[in-house]
Amino acid sequence: AQSVSQHNHHVILSEAASLELGCNYSYGGTVNLFWYVQYPGQHLQLLLKYFSGDPLVKGIKGFEAEFIKSKFSFNLRKPSVQWSDTAEYFCAVDLDSNSGYALNFGKGTSLLVTP
Amino acid sequence: NAGVTQTPKFQVLKTGQSMTLQCAQDMNHNSMYWYRQDPGMGLRLIYYSASEGTTDKGEVPNGYNVSRLNKREFSLRLESAAPSQTSVYFCASSGGAGNYGYTFGSGTRLTVV
Repeated sequence: AQSVSQHNHHVILSEAASLELGCNYSYGGTVNLFWYVQYPGQHLQLLLKYFSGDPLVKGIKGFEAEFIKSKFSFNLRKPSVQWSDTAEYFCAVDLDSNSGYALNFGKGTSLLVTP
Repeated sequence: NAGVTQTPKFQVLKTGQSMTLQCAQDMNHNSMYWYRQDPGMGLRLIYYSASEGTTDKGEVPNGYNVSRLNKREFSLRLESAAPSQTSVYFCASSGGAGNYGYTFGSGTRLTVV
């Protein structure tokens, strides 16, 4: 079955530490890839997306992600996290079905950044 | 502001009651979606509508029905609510060709007691 896997369910970092959140998907066709963030009590916001072209994608708030096709991966990175990055992060893959496109999410990674 | 509007924002139901969650978008998007979010489960697709007049089941459709009333509106109905349907529900829309991105509503927090 097609799936999206996020390896880390809970991550705790100190401010200024570097962040890398793993995401793998299992789908052999063409995919579009997304990372969303959900701050406490809020709805989803798009951090970045990859459709084609340069596999290194830069998003908002200093986040970036690298698409490695051979590894079916789309890991999210940030060189130096801030307390305000405390949130839940979701990787998502846009899969084409016979009926159209739909976004499939990983189970999320909860990030806590401590002062 | 352009976007996806969901109503209501909060709702408490008794087991067995019915209700309809409303969703409307004003971006002229073709595709609309309903997700539920539960702790540790991420967002799971309930139903989606690739275009006006079509609907398809997602990962967790049992206990739900949907109606694509027109291009703007996509409603989710719980005919007989169960405690397992306590969740946060998100509606989303997209241009439909895969690379237009998705816009999410602010969610409906539903509690079934």
